[in-house]
Amino acid sequence: KQEVTQIPAALSVPEGENLVLNCSFTDSAIYNLQWFRQDPGKGLTSLLLIQSSQREQTSGRLNASLDKSSGRSTLYIAASQPGDSATYLCAVRLTPMVNAGNMLTFGGGTRLMVKP
Amino acid sequence: NAGVTQTPKFRVLKTGQSMTLLCAQDMNHEYMYWYRQDPGMGLRLIHYSVGEGTTAKGEVPDGYNVSRLKKQNFLLGLESAAPSQTSVYFCASRTQLEAFFGQGTRLTVV
Repeated sequence: KQEVTQIPAALSVPEGENLVLNCSFTDSAIYNLQWFRQDPGKGLTSLLLIQSSQREQTSGRLNASLDKSSGRSTLYIAASQPGDSATYLCAVRLTPMVNAGNMLTFGGGTRLMVKP
Repeated sequence: NAGVTQTPKFRVLKTGQSMTLLCAQDMNHEYMYWYRQDPGMGLRLIHYSVGEGTTAKGEVPDGYNVSRLKKQNFLLGLESAAPSQTSVYFCASRTQLEAFFGQGTRLTVV
């Protein structure tokens, strides 16, 4: 069974810092990995999706990397802003051969607070 | 383009009552999912559907039933609500590549 872990569970940083959020998974037979943002009381917004054949994806100040062999992904946020405060979730999708329903397995999330 | 829409957004139930949560998507997606989110637990899959007329159990299906009579709608039912079903429920649909989520339904069972 795929297990996804996110460390740390909570993080507080001053504005302007660069930061890294970590995601690890136990089964390396993944199809892709997706990073989401969740604001309090809201739904999930997709930030970045990395296919298993890719090493990283970038969108603005966000950069996500993937190391399948070690079962790890990181989300790097450059020059953090108070507006980045939210919970960040990573989700892994196994290959269709073992995951006919194309289901996502989620980590518990990292709650980020960026202080002005 | 509305994407994935969940109704209702909030609901309070008494133990033993029943209710149905509706998820509607306008993107013609085959795959649809119901998750629950509890503090510190992340999102856990309740049931899913790979197409109209099909449903399957996820990780935590007990106490829930689902139906997918139309491709665009995925219904989640609670026949006899219990306090343990207090949670935030999310519906999702997906393409082959990416998943899209609704805004969530906050359910409290007292």
